[in-house]
Amino acid sequence: DAKTTQPPSMDCAEGRAANLPCNHSTISGNEYVYWYRQIHSQGPQYIIHGLKNNETNEMASLIITEDRKSSTLILPHATLRDTAVYYCIVRVGGGADGLTFGKGTHLIIQP
Amino acid sequence: DTAVSQTPKYLVTQMGNDKSIKCEQNLGHDTMYWYKQDSKKFLKIMFSYNNKELIINETVPNRFSPKSPDKAHLNLHINSLELGDSAVYFCASSQEGGTPGLDTQYFGPGTRLTVL
Repeated sequence: DAKTTQPPSMDCAEGRAANLPCNHSTISGNEYVYWYRQIHSQGPQYIIHGLKNNETNEMASLIITEDRKSSTLILPHATLRDTAVYYCIVRVGGGADGLTFGKGTHLIIQP
Repeated sequence: DTAVSQTPKYLVTQMGNDKSIKCEQNLGHDTMYWYKQDSKKFLKIMFSYNNKELIINETVPNRFSPKSPDKAHLNLHINSLELGDSAVYFCASSQEGGTPGLDTQYFGPGTRLTVL
């Protein structure tokens, strides 16, 4: 079972920032927060991960609350190609375990 | 320059048949995976495999078996196909190691299996 809770769907206007929340209130001290997304009919794609500090890469930013019980993925300037299902995953990381996907958030970017 | 490739992309077959789906990765990774995405879009891990161990999700029927001829390939063989096996199957690979983030999983494009 997924250890995370995400809203089932969200809309965002093209060009605006998309903020996707994730609750992971039972996260352990050695568990990381990973984000993947799945564009329609494609395989999932890694976006970003973090432990407790905020992280940024060329795709997105990840903001993790100080108590680590929730996080927000930020796509700073959403485009139509960002329409996808976004998955927040909590795991220890570094091992050969598979990813446990929840239901994710279906983000729809509106033109 | 496809990192993780799968063949075939589509597979339509009759109940009771045996079929295989092939997966190849050119990333030099040492761990490969198979996932199943059902009609409700739930994505579940089936197997993870490296040269040291095979980790099997206990919910996977033993009709499913992964076969790895070498480090770059992990094929999925399915015996006695059933209607409920219809799904999209994704292969993935990663570099196992002690550092989170270096274990990013890269997914193939998927194989849509339809059992009639």
